[in-house]
Parts: sequence; C-alpha cells; structure tokens
Amino acid sequence: GAGVSQSPRYKVTKRGQDVTLRCDPISSHATLYWYQQALGQGPEFLTYFNYEAQPDKSGLPSDRFSAERPEGSISTLTIQRTEQRDSAMYRCASSPRAGSNEQYFGPGTRLTVT
Amino acid sequence: AQTVTQSQPEMSVQEAETVTLSCTYDTSESDYYLFWYKQPPSRQMILVIRQEAYKQQNATENRFSVNFQKAAKSFSLKISDSQLGDAAMYFCATNTGNQFYFGTGTSLTVIP
Repeated sequence: GAGVSQSPRYKVTKRGQDVTLRCDPISSHATLYWYQQALGQGPEFLTYFNYEAQPDKSGLPSDRFSAERPEGSISTLTIQRTEQRDSAMYRCASSPRAGSNEQYFGPGTRLTVT
Repeated sequence: AQTVTQSQPEMSVQEAETVTLSCTYDTSESDYYLFWYKQPPSRQMILVIRQEAYKQQNATENRFSVNFQKAAKSFSLKISDSQLGDAAMYFCATNTGNQFYFGTGTSLTVIP
C-alpha cells in the first residue's frame, strides 16, 4: 500500500477485556515494529518482526502482550486482560529491510481502557 | 541499551525566528544513526532529518539543520525561519540495528 495503516484508529475497552490491534505495513517492507507511546512520552519499543520471524520481543511489558505476523505482512498486537495502565497510543512502523535506518510510521491506534 | 535525553519539555519561538532544540544521547555503539521526528497535533510521526554517526558533516534539510557533536553525544536541531506549521512535538531518536530509542519530546510553540 501507499503507507502504513493501522486499525482501529480508536479503541475503548473495559478493563479485563482482550483487544487486538492491526497493522498493515508498506507492501514491500520486510521489517515491522510495534511501539507503545504514553501521553507526553516518546514511543517505546515493544517488538519487531523480520518477515514472519520475531527476533526481539524484549520490550513487551508483560505476558499479556503478544504479537503475530504469520505471513510476513499484516501484523496484530493483542493485549489480554487489559488494565488501565495499558491506555496509550500503539504505533506500528515498517522498514524496507532489517537493519535499515528508514522507518515509516502508521497513524497509530489510541487505546483507552476504562 | 541506548538512552536519549531531551531536557527542554517546551520551547517557543517567534514566527520567522530561529530556534534550537537540544538532545543528548548515550550509546556504547560505534555505528548508529540519529533522527529528529515531528509529531503535529494529528499525532502522525514525520521524519524531519537524519544523521549518520560516522559522518562528520552536519545534515541539513531545507530550514532544518543539526549540530552533531559526536564526542559530546549531542544532536541538536535548528529550525530557521520558523513557520506556524512547525508547531509540534519534536522527538530525538537513535537506532542501532533494529532497536530505536526515542526521547521524551520537546513541544514547540510558534508565536505569530
């Protein structure tokens, strides 16, 4: 596609519910990143994929967070048993290849846990 | 791990004037890149300028330029002839390989 897209753009959920966020990267891009951005903060790395492989998930805050990219294109980030502290902007970015310094961000999903 | 520090939470500049946003970083890597991203009210993340650490020449991009001091681990952004559309949150970032690290941002206000 022309750019990185994410859906939904806004999600409000009740505490304890599971949510799944979707990222559709630029079609030719091998590498995909997930970030969490709290209000007033910079993005914080969660995990990344190189095609379908997930070499680094060191940034995932707990085992309630998981991500998939089964066919090396679209990725999902799932948060189980959401907590209020999970409220944040979740950003996806893609890069042409692993180790590239180019990174193209999607518009983000604003998650609010009530 | 790398850290990025932006010590100015807020800055303001008069339209058409020049402003400099500060950034320092800490890394043990020898090969890395430095970035400035702009986040306008739309909350998009837009790359403003990029610097390769092994290049001594400071990057420039139209009205945006950097002052890269490698020994001091400093990477400031200068915006010349500030415009109303420059009002945004600015994030400094660095990466090594597939890890990107962002500062906490500087909110820039442009005064007409």
